[in-house]
Amino acid sequence: NAGVTQTPKFQVLKTGQSMTLQCAQDMNHNSMYWYRQDPGMGLRLIYYSASEGTTDKGEVPNGYNVSRLNKREFSLRLESAAPSQTSVYFCASSRTGNYGYTFGSGTRLTVV
Amino acid sequence: LAKTTQPISMDSYEGQEVNITCSHNNIATNDYITWYQQFPSQGPRFIIQGYKTKVTNEVASLFIPADRKSSTLSLPRVSLSDTAVYYCLADQGGKLIFGQGTELSVKP
Repeated sequence: NAGVTQTPKFQVLKTGQSMTLQCAQDMNHNSMYWYRQDPGMGLRLIYYSASEGTTDKGEVPNGYNVSRLNKREFSLRLESAAPSQTSVYFCASSRTGNYGYTFGSGTRLTVV
Repeated sequence: LAKTTQPISMDSYEGQEVNITCSHNNIATNDYITWYQQFPSQGPRFIIQGYKTKVTNEVASLFIPADRKSSTLSLPRVSLSDTAVYYCLADQGGKLIFGQGTELSVKP
């Protein structure tokens, strides 16, 4: 089982460039999430989608946009990358209710 | 969402039992206590979840007293591979807010 798949695994961007981080899950989960993790810190929620067709802001949404393309896919877009967005980005999914999250392996993004 | 508080770091030795306590004074009636484990360069992994009393699985045990204001994750006979960050969260079935977690270091 693939679980949650994130692409790419690594990316280097120049300041001002744009890119989209892709996330797909094959567990038929309703909810999907995007987190960022900075060195030595816990995860911070950027955006989430409780169900197909809905998205909501998390703790740190500024500078990001998301698209819940269908039930399987949830993408995160950086329109104009900044060095402060250098981080590891994790996508996660869950069933409806408190059944725990399944996380992807992360995308390590560096903005220079 | 209920705020959780846990020690920033803990040290242990191989073969010992490790207990990590989490405080959640403002836990809501419909919150479940959930623990995740994160290894370096990996996403967090669900370990265990409980509502009240004791839950045990093949990885850990979770103890939650009747007042539910705290919980304890118990890892029996830890090994070097248990070195990781452990997060305690209140889970209502929606978005999860992670704290800094407890960095557990297991030494030979």
